[in-house]
Amino acid sequence: QVQLMESGGGVVQPGGSLRLSCVVSGFIFSSYAMHWVRQAPGKGLEWVAFISDDGTNKYYADSVKGRFTISRDNSKNTLYLQMNSLRVEDTAVYYCARDPVDVGVGYFDYWGQGTLVTVSS
Amino acid sequence: DLQMTQSPSTLSTSLGDRVTITCRASQSISTWLAWYQQKPGKAPKLLIYKASSLESGVPSRFSGSGSGTEFTLTISSLQPDDFATYYCQQYNNYPWTFGQGTKVEIK
Repeated sequence: QVQLMESGGGVVQPGGSLRLSCVVSGFIFSSYAMHWVRQAPGKGLEWVAFISDDGTNKYYADSVKGRFTISRDNSKNTLYLQMNSLRVEDTAVYYCARDPVDVGVGYFDYWGQGTLVTVSS
Repeated sequence: DLQMTQSPSTLSTSLGDRVTITCRASQSISTWLAWYQQKPGKAPKLLIYKASSLESGVPSRFSGSGSGTEFTLTISSLQPDDFATYYCQQYNNYPWTFGQGTKVEIK
């Protein structure tokens, strides 16, 4: 069955960096676009970043543009999110999510369980 | 960015009730709308895509309708497993955006 498993969350000081990983199984990773979506404590959902199946196309929310980088390694079935210059307002549970289309249509049919990132001094 | 507004924010309801949640877009999104269910401490789950298409494995008591700027999610007869928060999400325009959520709770 389809599984997505995030890791790499933790506590980091403002201005610090963190890299999240999402290992997938149960489907052909290289055939699907992928996303990161986050949820601040007690708040709603916010789309963060997108990458197409082959990594050619990448999009970011304005709130993270220039600070976060999405990437993928199709040989390792792994999605990444490199987060630099972290701010207190980046504190959230970060989910990786599958897009049902290779080039991306923009909704999410499978989600990981999430990993918590806390930015605090 | 395209704004999505859900109403109500909270819905107090009883088992067996028919439940309707509304989602409005700040501009037309055709039928490029998805609905998700989220339970506390869990990841969201896709229920509906393209405004009215039921995701595989989702019970038929869930249905979606609408186009343009106004959409509804209907639960025909509320079951114990349905108490959760529901989000709409547009995928007509980048950046993709969510509504603020509707919490369905026990009256």
